[in-house]
Amino acid sequence: KAGVTQTPRYLIKTRGQQVTLSCSPISGHRSVSWYQQTPGQGLQFLFEYFSETQRNKGNFPGRFSGRQFSNSRSEMNVSTLELGDSALYLCASSLVPLGSKNIQYFGAGTRLSVL
Amino acid sequence: GDSVTQMEGPVTLSEEAFLTINCTYTATGYPSLFWYVQYPGEGLQLLLKATKADDKGSNKGFEATYRKETTSFHLEKGSVQVSDSAVYFCALRTFSGGYNKLIFGAGTRLAVHP
Repeated sequence: KAGVTQTPRYLIKTRGQQVTLSCSPISGHRSVSWYQQTPGQGLQFLFEYFSETQRNKGNFPGRFSGRQFSNSRSEMNVSTLELGDSALYLCASSLVPLGSKNIQYFGAGTRLSVL
Repeated sequence: GDSVTQMEGPVTLSEEAFLTINCTYTATGYPSLFWYVQYPGEGLQLLLKATKADDKGSNKGFEATYRKETTSFHLEKGSVQVSDSAVYFCALRTFSGGYNKLIFGAGTRLAVHP
């Protein structure tokens, strides 16, 4: 069974640009969550999608957005990139939404560098 | 707000030594607690979890007990191996403001030498 797949693995952008990251969950999983990992702030929860609807969200500005397709694949978009957006972006999938029976499986991440 | 505090690393041990990585949390209500491990170049893997007070999570020789009275969830292993070298994250899942959230600690890097 294939794991969580994130593409691309590495990305370099410049300030002011926008970027879209992709995540394909484990087959059968309908929940996809996104996290930002930086040396300074650690791992921070961005948002979660389940059945094409945003179910949960963290404390990030509106420049960070996402969506989920009917096949459960998810994309995350960051507009007007800032230097501080340089990070490893991790995606996690699970069968059910965040809650008592949720177990998340993580992808290897997309490393974004903003110059 | 809700938060997780882990001991700072790196933790450097010799093979077969005893491991403890401290984790304490602040949360309203009754969070679930987790330990995740991240090997170099990989994503996070769930190591173990506990959903209520006094629960003990265990996996691959690692253990952690949910202590509500001390708000702690310390990770232990009796005899570490070189292959245990990784970054370990303590996390809690909480429900606040109408949303479920996973909140992670800063991570503790473990290096095990032969």
